[in-house]
Amino acid sequence: AQSVTQPDIHITVSEGASLELRCNYSYGATPYLFWYVQSPGQGLQLLLKYFSGDTLVQGIKGFEAEFKRSQSSFNLRKPSVHWSDAAEYFCAVGSGTYKYIFGTGTRLKVLA
Amino acid sequence: EPEVTQTPSHQVTQMGQEVILRCVPISNHLYFYWYRQILGQKVEFLVSFYNNEISEKSEIFDDQFSVERPDGSNFTLKIRSTKLEDSAMYFCASSEGLAGEAETQYFGPGTRLLVL
Repeated sequence: AQSVTQPDIHITVSEGASLELRCNYSYGATPYLFWYVQSPGQGLQLLLKYFSGDTLVQGIKGFEAEFKRSQSSFNLRKPSVHWSDAAEYFCAVGSGTYKYIFGTGTRLKVLA
Repeated sequence: EPEVTQTPSHQVTQMGQEVILRCVPISNHLYFYWYRQILGQKVEFLVSFYNNEISEKSEIFDDQFSVERPDGSNFTLKIRSTKLEDSAMYFCASSEGLAGEAETQYFGPGTRLLVL
């Protein structure tokens, strides 16, 4: 069955530190992978997506993610976190039809 | 930039009451969706809607739920007789309807429903 796992429910980093949020997926075919961010009171905003080609994908707000087929992972990274990055981050996979399968989300806290 | 909007942002209702959650998708989009997130759990797919009919629904989307596009702009989710376990954040989304599983979906801010 298709599934997405985000192992970290909460992560706390200091401002300026690097960040990696983990995402593992289970999907039989070539996955279509997405990272969304939800700031308080806001909708889910698309950060980046992977469809094919280059396995390192650049997104908005300085985020990037790397698709590793051998590890079934699509981890999100940022070299230097800003206080405004505090939010909840969701990884999702396109499931073969017009729907997404989401992970449980990772809530990021940024210390000043 | 066009965005998906949802009203209300919060709704409190009594168990057994009917609620209607409203969404305005992006105007040129053809596919519409509802998802929900129970506190502390995954965002779960409820239903997709295309060409004025349900395209796909999950096992969660039972007879208590219905969706409608009553006019050219709104997309609604109705829960006929709410239960305590319907308390959740409900997200509406829309997409162009051209790319299937590769589709980028655009989400609204959500409606937080609390059933007492």
